[in-house]
Amino acid sequence: KQEVTQIPAALSVPEGENLVLNCSFTDSAIYNLQWFRQDPGKGLTSLLLIQSSQREQTSGRLNASLDKSSGRSTLYIAASQPGDSATYLCGRSGGGADGLTFGKGTHLIIQP
Amino acid sequence: GAVVSQHPSRVICKSGTSVKIECRSLDFQATTMFWYRQFPKQSLMLMATSNEGSKATYEQGVEKDKFLINHASLTLSTLTVTSAHPEDSSFYICSARGTSGRLGNEQFFGPGTRLTVL
Repeated sequence: KQEVTQIPAALSVPEGENLVLNCSFTDSAIYNLQWFRQDPGKGLTSLLLIQSSQREQTSGRLNASLDKSSGRSTLYIAASQPGDSATYLCGRSGGGADGLTFGKGTHLIIQP
Repeated sequence: GAVVSQHPSRVICKSGTSVKIECRSLDFQATTMFWYRQFPKQSLMLMATSNEGSKATYEQGVEKDKFLINHASLTLSTLTVTSAHPEDSSFYICSARGTSGRLGNEQFFGPGTRLTVL
């Protein structure tokens, strides 16, 4: 069974800090991996998509990396802001026609 | 681009009734749509995968006769929860994937539907 684990489950840091969220998966046969944010009671906002042939993707203050050999992905958030407070989910796809297997998320709070 | 909508956003119904949730890709053709549900403080769990014009594929443990999925066009998929019970109360989210390029590699998610069964 495919499993996706996210560490830490929760994180609270002061504004301005750089931080790293971790995602690990048991099956290295990966098609792509997506990082999302979810605000309370809302749907998912896609942040970054990394395809299996890529090692990292960047968008603004966000950088996501993928290491298939170790079954890990990290999301790096630079210069965190209170607006970054949300739950961050990673989702792994094993094939082009497959749905995503999600981790339980990291609940992030950025203190003003 | 790549916008997915869901309707309704919130529904409250009585036990035993059926509820239909619509998922639409507004600006692209979605050959594949996925339905997920999320219980409180849990992550999203894939329920089923639907391809336009064919029967949906359900994940293990999901009753296909209870959760009816129709994907009759390239822009619309519906999920009908039949004879809903309180344990079906959840947040239902759909996603859509297109045919090529970015649209074919990435899943685009709708805003979700909060179902409460009394």
